[in-house]
Amino acid sequence: AAGVIQSPRHLIKEKRETATLKCYPIPRHDTVYWYQQGPGQDPQFLISFYEKMQSDKGSIPDRFSAQQFSDYHSELNMSSLELGDSALYFCASSLKREGWGTGELFFGEGSRLTVL
Amino acid sequence: AQKITQTQPGMFVQEKEAVTLDCTYDTSDQSYGLFWYKQPSSGEMIFLIYQGSYDEQNATEGRYSLNFQKARKSANLVISASQLGDSAMYFCAMRGGSASKIIFGSGTRLSIRP
Repeated sequence: AAGVIQSPRHLIKEKRETATLKCYPIPRHDTVYWYQQGPGQDPQFLISFYEKMQSDKGSIPDRFSAQQFSDYHSELNMSSLELGDSALYFCASSLKREGWGTGELFFGEGSRLTVL
Repeated sequence: AQKITQTQPGMFVQEKEAVTLDCTYDTSDQSYGLFWYKQPSSGEMIFLIYQGSYDEQNATEGRYSLNFQKARKSANLVISASQLGDSAMYFCAMRGGSASKIIFGSGTRLSIRP
């Protein structure tokens, strides 16, 4: 079965550079989520989109922005990168059902960003 | 506010034994979902099992089962007949109410001894 596809899998950037991560959700999934996981930490929610509109916002820095396109893929743009942005970035997708309390959520394999 | 608590930072279990990973949660929502994910050292987040708050029966997926005790607000993961490949970090997570995002507990690192 098709899974959530993330690219690139690994990315190395210098401080103050810009990075873009891409996410392709499972076909027919209409909701995309972005998470950031620092070393030894649990994943922290950044932002989510439902039907191309932002649906929820977490601890996403102002230097970061994201959007969901008409084909439901999503991109996370990170500017003025800092050393602390080094982390594993996960995208996840799900299909909205009646109420948000139900429905499985599947993660991609993650994009590992290293800022030097 | 919602919260997930995993009180076992690490566990060691002998191969082929059953293991229970603890998870308690706090929410005021009536409708919510509980998840368990496995994260091996390679980093990917693997979905294991899901339990809806209105599901009357405990969820099972192969060797994984979720011991859901709603009144106690606990959602423990039980792995039967553990294998060496089960060594990984395990996260309990939940989603509920009007929030679409899921929140994670701090995780339990499970190590299986041969």
